[in-house]
Amino acid sequence: EIVLTQSPGTLSLSPGERATLSCRASQSVSSSYLAWYQQKPGQAPRRLIYGASSRATGIPDRFSGSGSGTDFTLTISRLEPEDFAVYYCQQFGGSFTFGPGTRVDIK
Amino acid sequence: EVQLVESGGGLVKPGGSLRLSCAASGFTFSDAFMGWVRQAPGKGLEWVGRIKSKNGGGTTDSAAPVKGRLTISRDDSKNTLFLQLDSLKTDDTGVYFCTWERPVGSFDFWGQGAMVTVSS
Repeated sequence: EIVLTQSPGTLSLSPGERATLSCRASQSVSSSYLAWYQQKPGQAPRRLIYGASSRATGIPDRFSGSGSGTDFTLTISRLEPEDFAVYYCQQFGGSFTFGPGTRVDIK
Repeated sequence: EVQLVESGGGLVKPGGSLRLSCAASGFTFSDAFMGWVRQAPGKGLEWVGRIKSKNGGGTTDSAAPVKGRLTISRDDSKNTLFLQLDSLKTDDTGVYFCTWERPVGSFDFWGQGAMVTVSS
């Protein structure tokens, strides 16, 4: 099973700042099968990015994904108040696994 | 508008069984790969299992913690997905989300979730 590690565990930033979230896999992941989700308290997750870098429908262009192999990054160029949430990466390599999440909170 | 609406959650005793339903609308359900993801209270997301469309083979896959206890099925005539989990453990407690996998490998739409509590 491919294990995903996310860092940092918590990111404390101010609105307007840039957020860089990391997702590292225990073995190579096909870029076609790496996704990122945002989850707010009491809500279902929402997909932001799939195929490592493709934005999902309706997702603002301040969200971008990059990376390949074992290292992937989600970048939020300028944090808006509604972006403070928990972010998960997820891979599919025959089976699905999620990372433990990165919490982005207000500094 | 795509909608996934889960039902059937509640309190179940250890060793018992749970059956959840997910009513889908707004897309061609019969062509969809569907699945379940759960989240224990205060914890992260955990994939549970999925069922492919009949055209895609109709087969099911399940995560290791539920293998042998999980049955996922679908009724394409009623646009409904089902989850049955047997021999329940307290670790099975959590919110169960119905998902539409699109494209293959990631989850485009999620239901609002159904809470399941396994406790004596």
